[in-house]
Amino acid sequence: DTGVSQDPRHKITKRGQNVTFRCDPISEHNRLYWYRQTLGQGPEFLTYFQNEAQLEKSRLLSDRFSAERPKGSFSTLEIQRTEQGDSAMYLCASSLQNQPQHFGDGTRLSIL
Amino acid sequence: AQSVTQPDIHITVSEGASLELRCNYSYGATPYLFWYVQSPGQGLQLLLKYFSGDTLVQGIKGFEAEFKRSQSSFNLRKPSVHWSDAAEYFCAVGGGRDDKIIFGKGTRLHILP
Repeated sequence: DTGVSQDPRHKITKRGQNVTFRCDPISEHNRLYWYRQTLGQGPEFLTYFQNEAQLEKSRLLSDRFSAERPKGSFSTLEIQRTEQGDSAMYLCASSLQNQPQHFGDGTRLSIL
Repeated sequence: AQSVTQPDIHITVSEGASLELRCNYSYGATPYLFWYVQSPGQGLQLLLKYFSGDTLVQGIKGFEAEFKRSQSSFNLRKPSVHWSDAAEYFCAVGGGRDDKIIFGKGTRLHILP
């Protein structure tokens, strides 16, 4: 069990640029989740996949956000035309159905 | 609506003292309940979970939590804290088909030497 891996750990970009984050879940986990955590808050659900199917998206996930899990393994989260308000920690988690979620260390995004 | 309330934003205790972190939840069905811990700049580590059965659950690092349905509470306890326990603690509720988790805003634990 190598744990959930996220890349990069930190991303600094200028407003208006596009960014993409990657998450590699624990290998046998069929569920993968994305959360966003802002300073002083708990993580907030963004979206989740079961295998390659994206089953739910939060209203927090605007049209500028897109997530994929093309082969049911790793996932990417892309933010287009970044805004100041996108600055946050983006957390990925994976699990088996009805089992606790295991979290990665997150990608911290800073928008200049 | 589903929600989690952690009424204490910060708690300070002396090393070796006992600890209780409060958590109340609102959930329409039988909930799955969790406590996670987060160190600065890190992800979340699962301390313990309640799915069903015994309402007193044991977790890692000497933590335990008690599910009280009548009070909609799931408080976290530790009999004697260590300096390494200083971190942010999140209570969370989930369940259902999607296992989506709803987190509280967290309680930051400070330890006095």
